[in-house]
This record gives sequence, structure tokens and C-alpha cells, in this order.
Amino acid sequence: GDSVTQMEGPVTLSEEAFLTINCTYTATGYPSLFWYVQYPGEGLQLLLKATKADDKGSNKGFEATYRKETTSFHLEKGSVQVSDSAVYFCALTTKTSYDKVIFGPGTSLSVIP
Amino acid sequence: DTEVTQTPKHLVMGMTNKKSLKCEQHMGHRAMYWYKQKAKKPPELMFVYSYEKLSINESVPSRFSPECPNSSLLNLHLHALQPEDSALYLCASSQDLVTNTGELFFGEGSRLTVL
Repeated sequence: GDSVTQMEGPVTLSEEAFLTINCTYTATGYPSLFWYVQYPGEGLQLLLKATKADDKGSNKGFEATYRKETTSFHLEKGSVQVSDSAVYFCALTTKTSYDKVIFGPGTSLSVIP
Repeated sequence: DTEVTQTPKHLVMGMTNKKSLKCEQHMGHRAMYWYKQKAKKPPELMFVYSYEKLSINESVPSRFSPECPNSSLLNLHLHALQPEDSALYLCASSQDLVTNTGELFFGEGSRLTVL
């Protein structure tokens, strides 16, 4: 079945460090790919998305590129801030996922001053 | 600011109590969802309502009973819960089926503790 794998962390970085969170997927057909973020005490919110191969999603300094050949959607940010501390979920939908979003296990990020 | 509003934010209940969680959205979205989230885990889908009809029930125990009175409101009725049901319950909505639109809008959640 469809699934998402991501590094689980926790990941601890110093402010202004470079961030990469790896995400790979298994899916039938051509999935749409997403990164959701959950700040402490809040619900999830969409960070960025890409719906076809080679698309790059970007938002708030974060980027991820849909790589069909490696079935990956790695999240990157050039310079993290303390306010980026959160849990990041990679996710996908497919035309056969019956209205379900398939979430990865989540990666906890802590950014220290 | 989230456009999906959930009440209450916190709820403590005994195993014999009956309570309800409420969710409201005014974005004109046609699909609404209930998720359960344990600490440091991804959300787990419980129910999906599409155009006010229950379209997905992920084999959730009958002590959880969803209700969709209209396209803006979603309730989750709770009865005879167990301590292991303690979790964050998240409501979400999407403009249409998420398979087509791709984006879920989440509320901040209701944190439930069952004693």
C-alpha cells in the first residue's frame, strides 16, 4: 500500500543552521506530496505541496522538490530560526487513496539559540 | 488564525460520562474529518464526511459517534470511553475530497483526558 517514510528525529539544530528532513514515499500512480507542520499546542497546517514530478513547493523559506526518479520529497531550509521548532509531517494523496492523506511518522525539530 | 474552530480545547471525563466535541468551519468546504493524534505520532483518520454524509469510518469503536448536522458543523459524541482514548482530537476540512484538492485545514484540536 501507499506509505511515507521520513527521518524521525528528534533533530536539534542551532539557529541559522541548514535544515534537511528526508522523506521518501511508496505509492501507486502519481501522488501529490505535502509537508505539514505542527507547532506546539496547535493543529497541523500545510507548509508546502507539489502535485507533479519536478515541481518545487516553497513557503516561509522552506523548499521541497518532487523527485519521481528517487521517490523523494526532502524538506530544506537554508537558515532555521527558533520559531521553526515544530513537528514536520511528510504526506501524500493519490487518486486511489480514497480521500485519505497518508502521513509519515513526523520529524521533531528543535532549534536552539 | 485557524478557520476551523474546535471546542472545547480541553476536556476531562470519566469512563461513564457522555460528552461531545464540536467543530465548525465557514469556508464552504464540503468535506470534514475527525483525526485522533497521540503524542509525537501522526494523526490517525477516524471519520470522513463528504457532502454531509459519512463516507469513511476507519473501524472506529462505537463509543465514538460522529454527527454532521450541516455542512459547517461536525460533532463527535463520546460515551463510555477508556483511558487509552486520551489523545488530541483534530477536526479538519477540505474544499472538496482531499484526493482532488490536496489540502486539509486543521483546527487546533481538543485535548481529551479520560480518567
